[in-house]
Amino acid sequence: GENVEQHPSTLSVQEGDSAVIKCTYSDSASNYFPWYKQELGKGPQLIIDIRSNVGEKKDQRIAVTLNKTAKHFSLHITETQPEDSAVYFCASFTGNQFYFGTGTSLTVIP
Amino acid sequence: KAGVTQTPRYLIKTRGQQVTLSCSPISGHRSVSWYQQTPGQGLQFLFEYFSETQRNKGNFPGRFSGRQFSNSRSEMNVSTLELGDSALYLCASSLVTSGGAGAGELFFGEGSRLTVL
Repeated sequence: GENVEQHPSTLSVQEGDSAVIKCTYSDSASNYFPWYKQELGKGPQLIIDIRSNVGEKKDQRIAVTLNKTAKHFSLHITETQPEDSAVYFCASFTGNQFYFGTGTSLTVIP
Repeated sequence: KAGVTQTPRYLIKTRGQQVTLSCSPISGHRSVSWYQQTPGQGLQFLFEYFSETQRNKGNFPGRFSGRQFSNSRSEMNVSTLELGDSALYLCASSLVTSGGAGAGELFFGEGSRLTVL
């Protein structure tokens, strides 16, 4: 089955700096790659996604890149703010099922 | 529009007991899926229901079961609880078509936190 690996597990950045979270997947049939943000005490919420026919997608300070050949995708957050502090999960979709990474706890230091 | 509602939010059980968790999806969403979240393991897929039918099942023992009602509300049940079942159980609904599970946005509830003593 699909295996999604996510790194790093924890990340601390100064406010205003950039943050990058990387994920790899194993199933070449995976065709959809969302990123979810989970704040304390809440359920995950979609922040950005990318499909396999696109290499990059951007939404204001957030961007996702996909390298299908290398089977990896990354989340980029620029100009980080304290409210970006949360746990971020990557996921892949294949075989009618979502597979999630183990999460990255991002702390933005004011 | 109301979000996904899960009840109860917190519960404590002892080993050997059984538990039932409830999920009300967003109005109009016919797909409901369940995930187990534990520290360091991320979200593990349990099962997905669409129009009262289980369409997909993750790699969990038969002690974990679920069902969906005609109004799309869903329940999951865990029988003979073990210590390792302590986790946050998340329900997500999705606006997917009947043609398959589909790849679309999952809308998560806030979860039911189960503690097994």
